[in-house]
Amino acid sequence: QKEVEQNSGPLSVPEGAIASLNCTYSDRGSQSFFWYRQYSGKSPELIMSIYSNGDKEDGRFTAQLNKASQYVSLLIRDSQPSDSATYLCAVNSGGSNYKLTFGKGTLLTVNP
Amino acid sequence: SQTIHQWPATLVQPVGSPLSLECTVEGTSNPNLYWYRQAAGRGLQLLFYSVGIGQISSEVPQNLSASRPQDRQFILSSKKLLLSDSGFYLCAWNLLQGNNSPLHFGNGTRLTVT
Repeated sequence: QKEVEQNSGPLSVPEGAIASLNCTYSDRGSQSFFWYRQYSGKSPELIMSIYSNGDKEDGRFTAQLNKASQYVSLLIRDSQPSDSATYLCAVNSGGSNYKLTFGKGTLLTVNP
Repeated sequence: SQTIHQWPATLVQPVGSPLSLECTVEGTSNPNLYWYRQAAGRGLQLLFYSVGIGQISSEVPQNLSASRPQDRQFILSSKKLLLSDSGFYLCAWNLLQGNNSPLHFGNGTRLTVT
C-alpha cells in the first residue's frame, strides 16, 4: 500500500512568518511530487511541482525534495492570511503516469 | 487554454436514487480523466481513471460506475445511492507526458445523500 503522510495540523503561524509543511512517502519508485492548495469548500489548486532532489522556488513558495529520505516539503515565506488553506501533498506512485496518491493534507492558518 | 467543467455544483439526493455527474474538458485532446472523492475529514480517494474512450479502470469496488462516451467527457453514475456516497466529487485531467503531468481539477460536486 503506497502511502503519503502529512501532519494534519492545524499549523498556525503569524503573518509574515515562514510556514513549513512536510510530507513523507512510502514508495521509493516515486518520481513526481506536487503541492496543492485547497481552500475550504473548493477544489485543489496546483501550486508547485518538483521532480529532482533539491530546492525549487516560485515566488514565495519553495518546494524541497529529498528522495533518499523520501521527504518533500513546502516552505511559504512572508505568509499572508490568504495563504490559510489546506495543503495537499501528492506523489506519482509506482512510476505510473496516471495515479497520484494524495496525503490527507495539512491545515494552515495564518494569523493577522 | 484548457478548461474543465463539472456539474452540478451541489446535489442532494435520497438514498436509493440514481446519480449522474458529468465532466467535460476543453482545449486539449486525449486527456487522461479521473474521478476522485473527498469525504469529510478524509483524503482524496481515486475512484476511476480513463486513458481513452471506453477505457475505464476502477480503483475501489463500490456501487459507482464511470463511463467515457467521448474523448473529453467523463461521467460518474450510480443506480442506487448509499448514505456513504456523500462527499465532494472531483473530476480531474492530465496529459500523457511521462510521469511529470500534474492533475488539474474541476470545481467539484458536493453530494449529500439523505
